[in-house]
Amino acid sequence: GQNIDQPTEMTATEGAIVQINCTYQTSGFNGLFWYQQHAGEAPTFLSYNVLDGLEEKGRFSSFLSRSKGYSYLLLKELQMKDSASYLCAVASGDYKLSFGAGTTVTVRA
Amino acid sequence: SAVISQKPSRDICQRGTSLTIQCQVDSQVTMMFWYRQQPGQSLTLIATANQGSEATYESGFVIDKFPISRPNLTFSTLTVSNMSPEDSSIYLCSVGDGRAENTEAFFGQGTRLTVV
Repeated sequence: GQNIDQPTEMTATEGAIVQINCTYQTSGFNGLFWYQQHAGEAPTFLSYNVLDGLEEKGRFSSFLSRSKGYSYLLLKELQMKDSASYLCAVASGDYKLSFGAGTTVTVRA
Repeated sequence: SAVISQKPSRDICQRGTSLTIQCQVDSQVTMMFWYRQQPGQSLTLIATANQGSEATYESGFVIDKFPISRPNLTFSTLTVSNMSPEDSSIYLCSVGDGRAENTEAFFGQGTRLTVV
């Protein structure tokens, strides 16, 4: 099975940087995803890492260390619209996703 | 990227009744999944919808309660049977290609179900 841990909530100021950590233990690994979910909406894809290292996409970056079972999502230049839940999800050998409980990020002015 | 149409987007149902949720994809996909997201919680996988054969259910979910159909590579349905208030959740359809170079999972907009 999968065991995925991420903080429950984080608060940051507009324009700042926030790093959301995710640790996982999994049998079979086919990559790690980060999704953003606004209240009442479906999750939307942010990033995918399958190799170690940093993937950068505009204001969002994601890092993976497979040996440590660790990933983080970095949100830079925070905007009010970034207030949402961020879900860490691990793909197992058959590409099924197991989700963490989500981290609620609140951006304050 | 795949475009997923899921309907209904929301419904309010009486306990004891059943609701069928449809998921239509604009291209053929290898993998289709159904998730449940209970209020304030993350997503839990219900089952993998297999084309031409019975769905594969995760622990805690059974076919009698959540029958699934997948008649082709672009369409699937999930039925929530004999509903109770505990079934009030968002139900999400997800698709994946299953190929290493295209493993992104896409989600439909979800069906918000309230059972009264």
